[in-house]
Amino acid sequence: KQEVTQIPAALSVPEGENLVLNCSFTDSAIYNLQWFRQDPGKGLTSLLLIQSSQREQTSGRLNASLDKSSGRSTLYIAASQPGDSATYLCAVRGIQGAQKLVFGQGTRLTINP
Amino acid sequence: NAGVTQTPKFQVLKTGQSMTLQCAQDMNHEYMSWYRQDPGMGLRLIHYSVGAGITDQGEVPNGYNVSRSTTEDFPLRLLSAAPSQTSVYFCASSYSPSGGETQYFGPGTRLLVL
Repeated sequence: KQEVTQIPAALSVPEGENLVLNCSFTDSAIYNLQWFRQDPGKGLTSLLLIQSSQREQTSGRLNASLDKSSGRSTLYIAASQPGDSATYLCAVRGIQGAQKLVFGQGTRLTINP
Repeated sequence: NAGVTQTPKFQVLKTGQSMTLQCAQDMNHEYMSWYRQDPGMGLRLIHYSVGAGITDQGEVPNGYNVSRSTTEDFPLRLLSAAPSQTSVYFCASSYSPSGGETQYFGPGTRLLVL
């Protein structure tokens, strides 16, 4: 059974810092991995989608990497801003049971002005 | 485009009552799904659909029914509400029937069952 873990559960950093959020998964037979952002009381917004054949994806100040063989993904946020404060979730779609996203518990990020 | 819309935003039910959570998308997406989000449990898949007339069960389907009569709409029915169904419910959609592309989520419905 696929399990997705995100560490740390919460992170607080001063504005302007570069930071890395971690995601690990137990089954490397994945179709893709997706990073989402969730603001309090809101839905999920997709940030980046990495297919299993890709190593990384970039969007603006965000860069996500994927190491399928080691079961790890990182989300790098450059020059953090208070508006980046949110919960970040990673989710994997396995090759088996391919219709289901398996989510991690998320990392609650706070950027202090 | 409105994207994925959900109604109602918040609902209070008594144990045993039934209700339907509405989900609609205007992006002509084939794949739609329902998740519930609970503290400490993360998001879990309830039901999904790969096209009109085709639905299947996810990880936690008990107590819920779905149907897909049109591409746009994917309602979730609670047959007899229980306190364990207190949760936040999210509807999601993607273009590909395999669900392998970016998934778009609705704003959620908060359900409290007393």
